[in-house]
Amino acid sequence: ILNVEQSPQSLHVQEGDSTNFTCSFPSSNFYALHWYRWETAKSPEALFVMTLNGDEKKKGRISATLNTKEGYSYLYIKGSQPEDSATYLCALIGDSSYKLIFGSGTRLLVRP
Amino acid sequence: DTGVSQDPRHKITKRGQNVTFRCDPISEHNRLYWYRQTLGQGPEFLTYFQNEAQLEKSRLLSDRFSAERPKGSFSTLEIQRTEQGDSAMYLCASSSQNQPQHFGDGTRLSIL
Repeated sequence: ILNVEQSPQSLHVQEGDSTNFTCSFPSSNFYALHWYRWETAKSPEALFVMTLNGDEKKKGRISATLNTKEGYSYLYIKGSQPEDSATYLCALIGDSSYKLIFGSGTRLLVRP
Repeated sequence: DTGVSQDPRHKITKRGQNVTFRCDPISEHNRLYWYRQTLGQGPEFLTYFQNEAQLEKSRLLSDRFSAERPKGSFSTLEIQRTEQGDSAMYLCASSSQNQPQHFGDGTRLSIL
C-alpha cells in the first residue's frame, strides 16, 4: 500500500510571510507527483505535475521541487496573500493507471 | 470551456436508501476517475474508466457500490443500502492519458 504523507497538517501565517510544505512518498514507486490547491466550495485545481528527479516548477509566487531518490517534494509560497488560503494536496502516481494517491493535505490560512 | 460537472452538488438521504450520482467529464477525455474524501483526509481512489471499460476498483468499493460509464462519456456511481459511513464528498475527475486530472466540484453525501 502506497502512503503519501504531508506536513504540516495546518499552517497559519501572516500576509507577506513565505512558507513551505512537505510531501513525502515511497521512492520505489514513482511515475509522477501532482500538486493541487483546493479552496472551500470549489474543485481541486492542478498546480504542478512533476516527473523528473530535480524538477523545479514555478507559477507566480508558488514553486515546487522534487527529489525522487529520497522521496519528497516541497511546495513554496513566497509572500503569502489571503487568497492563498486553501488546502494544498500532493498526490502520487505510482503505476500506469494514473490514479492519484493523495496525502491528507496541508491547510493554509493567511491572515491579512 | 466546460469543465467536469457533477450532479447533484448535495444529497441528503436516510440510511438504507439508494443514491446515484452523475459525472460529466470534459468531452475529449478518455479517462474518468471517482474519489471519495472524508473530513481531514485527502481524496481516496475508488475506481477508474478508460473509455467505457472499468479498469480498476479499489477495495474501498464494497459490493454496495457500482459505477458505470456506458458509452464512454458520462459516468454514474450508485450506492445501495447507504450506511452512515458512506457520508463523504464524492469527486469525479477526468483526463487524457497522463495529463493532469480535472476535478468536478463534487457531490456531498449526508446520511441521516
